[in-house]
Amino acid sequence: AQSVTQLDSHVSVSEGTPVLLRCNYSSSYSPSLFWYVQHPNKGLQLLLKYTSAATLVKGINGFEAEFKKSETSFHLTKPSAHMSDAAEYFCAQRMTTDSWGKLQFGAGTQVVVTP
Amino acid sequence: EAGVAQSPRYKIIEKRQSVAFWCNPISGHATLYWYQQILGQGPKLLIQFQNNGVVDDSQLPKDRFSAERLKGVDSTLKIQPAKLEDSAVYLCASSPPRIGQETQYFGPGTRLLVL
Repeated sequence: AQSVTQLDSHVSVSEGTPVLLRCNYSSSYSPSLFWYVQHPNKGLQLLLKYTSAATLVKGINGFEAEFKKSETSFHLTKPSAHMSDAAEYFCAQRMTTDSWGKLQFGAGTQVVVTP
Repeated sequence: EAGVAQSPRYKIIEKRQSVAFWCNPISGHATLYWYQQILGQGPKLLIQFQNNGVVDDSQLPKDRFSAERLKGVDSTLKIQPAKLEDSAVYLCASSPPRIGQETQYFGPGTRLLVL
């Protein structure tokens, strides 16, 4: 069965230091993977997506993610955290058993940025 | 381009009452999704429409939840009667016609509290 696991429920970083959010997936097929960000009282915003092209995917706001098939991972990184990066981040994969694009989300990682 | 609109933004009701949420997707988006996001969890798909037809409602509690998308544009989600465990954020999302279907655009959500 397909699954998405976000390995950290909370991450705390200092402003200006690197951010690493970890996501593992389980899929029998080549997956389509996504990272979304959710600021307080806002809807989800797409940061980036992987759809079997380049394994290093660049997104908005300086974020990038690397698809590693051997590790079944799709970790999200940013070289230098900004206060505005404080939010909840969701990793998701497209369900390959579904022809209509259904997404399966992880439980989320709450990011706190300290001055 | 206007985003996905949802109303109301907040709703407090007592258990066994009924409630309805409204969503207006991005113009031209054929696919519309309703998600339930319980505190501390990732969004879970309740129902997916392609134009005005339902393509996935496998996780919709049909004894109390209903949804419609008349004329293939805006949509309403109803809960009757509400239970305490229905307290959550209800997110609406839309995506373009099939080729671009993998990117879903989310509205700000309706936060429901059932007392």
